[in-house]
Amino acid sequence: DTAVSQTPKYLVTQMGNDKSIKCEQNLGHDTMYWYKQDSKKFLKIMFSYNNKELIINETVPNRFSPKSPDKAHLNLHINSLELGDSAVYFCASRPGTRLLGTEAFFGQGTRLTVV
Amino acid sequence: AQKITQTQPGMFVQEKEAVTLDCTYDTSDPSYGLFWYKQPSSGEMIFLIYQGSYDQQNATEGRYSLNFQKARKSANLVISASQLGDSAMYFCAMREGRQVDTGNQFYFGTGTSLTVIP
Repeated sequence: DTAVSQTPKYLVTQMGNDKSIKCEQNLGHDTMYWYKQDSKKFLKIMFSYNNKELIINETVPNRFSPKSPDKAHLNLHINSLELGDSAVYFCASRPGTRLLGTEAFFGQGTRLTVV
Repeated sequence: AQKITQTQPGMFVQEKEAVTLDCTYDTSDPSYGLFWYKQPSSGEMIFLIYQGSYDQQNATEGRYSLNFQKARKSANLVISASQLGDSAMYFCAMREGRQVDTGNQFYFGTGTSLTVIP
């Protein structure tokens, strides 16, 4: 039933490790996003995909690499994790329509803690 | 320049009272959409209400209404008859029409933490 699902919900890992966060949406949406929410709750776009094609790649370290194997999935791989990567990462999706009034549907978030 | 500005880091309201959460935006695009999201302590992002730049009337959804003042570039959220369950972070967001072909990202404000007092 879940529209946008992320796994895992919590991720605690040591500095220097490599980790992945998976995202899947069953809404048939064309556009998917990764947002980072920092400790002050600010939400910042990281990546935007439309039909598996990367559209936005904001100023994000190269250690972050998104991968979209198909329209329903957008995974986030992070290499050489640093303390500053600790945050909540949200996956979101919306229909790939020109209509402005379509909201983004968010996953439940992944709380990443780097120790 | 910030696309979305929310100047109230925290707000308190008595249960059953109305509260207004402020949001101003900055865009030169004549076509844009404004959204409000609620984030309870459990962390999920819940869509509340949408207002389009060409909409003639203010949007309403149940106890939520949007006070849209285009000339002032403000899109304040009004919650009527506050309930304890309304205690949460509230985010204002915008999507611009010219982004339709270039990413469709949502710009978010810094949020307002609302606490409803019994």
